[in-house]
Order: sequence, then C-alpha cells, then structure tokens
Amino acid sequence: ETGVTQTPRHLVMGMTNKKSLKCEQHLGHNAMYWYKQSAKKPLELMFVYSLEERVENNSVPSRFSPECPNSSHLFLHLHTLQPEDSALYLCASSQGTGTSGRRETQYFGPGTRLLVL
Amino acid sequence: RKEVEQDPGPFNVPEGATVAFNCTYSNSASQSFFWYRQDCRKEPKLLMSVYSSGNEDGRFTAQLNRASQYISLLIRDSKLSDSATYLCVVNIASGGYNKLIFGAGTRLAVHP
Repeated sequence: ETGVTQTPRHLVMGMTNKKSLKCEQHLGHNAMYWYKQSAKKPLELMFVYSLEERVENNSVPSRFSPECPNSSHLFLHLHTLQPEDSALYLCASSQGTGTSGRRETQYFGPGTRLLVL
Repeated sequence: RKEVEQDPGPFNVPEGATVAFNCTYSNSASQSFFWYRQDCRKEPKLLMSVYSSGNEDGRFTAQLNRASQYISLLIRDSKLSDSATYLCVVNIASGGYNKLIFGAGTRLAVHP
C-alpha cells in the first residue's frame, strides 16, 4: 500500500537462532531506515542508509547487523538476541536525507513483529 | 528530558467533538515537523506536515510555535475512524542527513 514491504510479518525465535528481516521499497527512494518500536515507547531509530552507505548507527548492539545491497533493499540480520529485543521492527524509506521537509517524508513498511524466547 | 514530549492520553471523545493534542520538543535545531498517525498494530503513516504559518487539511489543523518549541494538532468534528495514536515528529539535521525523532504518541478513542 505504501510501497514499502517487509518480510516476515511475524517472527518467533530463540536466543541462539540467526534470522534476517527483509525490507524492500518500490518508491525509487535513496534512503532507508530501521526503527524499533517497543510497547509504550517511542520509535527508536536504529540505522540509516543513504545511497547504500550507512550514515547512522544509533548505538545499536552488535547482535543487530544491517545490510543494504542496493537502494531498494535493506536487511537486518539478527543473532543471539535477548528477550528484551522483542518488539516491532519497522523499515522506512525517504526520497532523500536532507532537511527540506517534504522530500524527506518517510514512508513506513508494515513492520515485523518479533518475539524472542 | 525527552526530545519530543506528548500527553499519552487516552483522549476519549464522542463523535463530532473537537480535540486538541499538544507536543513540545527540546532541540531548537529542529528543522521540520510532522504529525503521523498509527493505527493499532499498524505502521505509522504521515498525517500532515506542520508549517510555521500553520496549516489545515480538511478537519485537521496543525500549528507550530518555534519560539515556544510547541506543536499542536486540532481535529474538528471527530469521526470514529479518527481513533488512533497520533505521533508528533520532528526532523533534526544530524551529520548531513535527515533524522526523525518521534514522540511516544497520544491515543485518541472516538466513541458513538
């Protein structure tokens, strides 16, 4: 609907598992983002990619590893997660990464709801 | 202090009511401002941008006061379908790229 898709939509994993979240945007945007949304907390920015280059790593633990092979695809590789990592993981994209307002409007995917047991 | 603060609500209002949400932000370098709407178990979606002179989109009016670092959203003639969480968002220039800072949201429940 918004041009940003995410898979899987739901994921249950154990603390020793390795899994990957995938995001794809069909909007021709140049910037992509990963956010974490925990219950009753604001969205937390995790990573920002601009033209496939990582420009922000917001103090995210190394058990989260992003990958951006091209401007349309973004992955979040997960390994040895903790139960407190259970949350909604949202991907977003924007046309650019400047600060002029409309151009930088971010469009979100539906999210992956992750449960770590 | 939180970077973006909102009253969490919930605001429970009858259909047809007018409801106002307030938001304050702490970073005076904030460049642009938005209201997003998030339905239960869905992703956030842009509701409207907020301009310095104030702007209106149908039943929705947004205001910005840069001096007070205050943003508001007014919803007139509330509909059942307006029930959602409303997120106040500011855009900060950081390291040459766009960084959105989200408030925790204000929940609105419109009842018949």
